[in-house]
Amino acid sequence: DTGVSQDPRHKITKRGQNVTFRCDPISEHNRLYWYRQTLGQGPEFLTYFQNEAQLEKSRLLSDRFSAERPKGSFSTLEIQRTEQGDSAMYLCASSPTWSGVEDTQYFGPGTRLTVL
Amino acid sequence: RKEVEQDPGPFNVPEGATVAFNCTYSNSASQSFFWYRQDCRKEPKLLMSVYSSGNEDGRFTAQLNRASQYISLLIRDSKLSDSATYLCVVNNNAGNMLTFGGGTRLMVKP
Repeated sequence: DTGVSQDPRHKITKRGQNVTFRCDPISEHNRLYWYRQTLGQGPEFLTYFQNEAQLEKSRLLSDRFSAERPKGSFSTLEIQRTEQGDSAMYLCASSPTWSGVEDTQYFGPGTRLTVL
Repeated sequence: RKEVEQDPGPFNVPEGATVAFNCTYSNSASQSFFWYRQDCRKEPKLLMSVYSSGNEDGRFTAQLNRASQYISLLIRDSKLSDSATYLCVVNNNAGNMLTFGGGTRLMVKP
């Protein structure tokens, strides 16, 4: 399967713990995105990378959240001191180098986080 | 006001029916438009892009009205397998970030 992969698929943690998620984009896709989706809502943009550079961050990305893409391939999203409000599906997407406005973003299966 | 607004539904329709979903967006500078489909507890998948001239893909027809900032999706001859949430999505050309509506849930019944 050459699609976007995410690990783990499910994570249950206690409030106050740190968690880290990984995303492997489609190979040769330069852009990588993180979104968050809560029940009954559409995904909300968190941040994106062009190769290893983090080019934009949403105001939703508080200082407890950090994302990296050190070698321009896989990315990690870390949440420190988790809160119950962080419970959501965290989706990763990738797209090829932007050459126009209609490049499709391909989504991974997501990591479902539950904070107890 | 949300940047992309959709009626959450659910739309309950019988097999074979025609159903239409609408969506409005607030940013007049939006550049490109999509419909994504999302099955329960799965990731969103691109259904189709939406062009100003309108476009059709089999049973699905999408329309864009830039003047009214309005996007529509028409599904003809509904199948049971069309049951899903349909997400209206806008790209504001600001880093290729996608802005999603809350989704419209469709349930097709036998």
